[in-house]
Amino acid sequence: ETGVTQTPRHLVMGMTNKKSLKCEQHLGHNAMYWYKQSAKKPLELMFVYNFKEQTENNSVPSRFSPECPNSSHLFLHLHTLQPEDSALYLCASSVPGQLLMNTEAFFGQGTRLTVV
Amino acid sequence: KNEVEQSPQNLTAQEGEFITINCSYSVGISALHWLQQHPGGGIVSLFMLSSGKKKHGRLIATINIQEKHSSLHITASHPRDSAVYICAVPYNTDKLIFGTGTRLQVFP
Repeated sequence: ETGVTQTPRHLVMGMTNKKSLKCEQHLGHNAMYWYKQSAKKPLELMFVYNFKEQTENNSVPSRFSPECPNSSHLFLHLHTLQPEDSALYLCASSVPGQLLMNTEAFFGQGTRLTVV
Repeated sequence: KNEVEQSPQNLTAQEGEFITINCSYSVGISALHWLQQHPGGGIVSLFMLSSGKKKHGRLIATINIQEKHSSLHITASHPRDSAVYICAVPYNTDKLIFGTGTRLQVFP
């Protein structure tokens, strides 16, 4: 248990569906991240939020729409996805701006997304 | 070429064996993370180190900043150590670059 909770753990959706992934942490962290992990590839950073403001969008297609209503919650809204978007989506949190300073990032269990 | 390279990609061992996983990186860093990912997908931080060596139980991590190389060792390996081990390096205050991971299977 890392203190970062993601729901749902598994999601199957059609290409015309709209769904949302949820991430929640009560570690007091003010930085939250979405990562994508595809088969046989390294984790890819998608979005970074610091103090509820998006500070990084790593050229992610607009069919992925993040939302950070407060420092404890992060959402990833999905619409008109493609089969190649099937992957494990991981949320993480940390103390903002401190990854260079020997600060850990805490990861959730991930949502295994399958787009059919 | 990935900026963080791990070897081997896959590793099979018998219970009790000594395991070494290597990580080489090409960017300048101040710290390196070793992470463990179990089959369910969740990732747990094992170590964060910027010099020398750290030890937690049967796990030992070493880093050589000059050579840009780190190793993760597992002594007396056990089937419950079976997982994917990932090294990651920060390249700014909010970004980590990840290796592709080493899949370890330990058989009884």
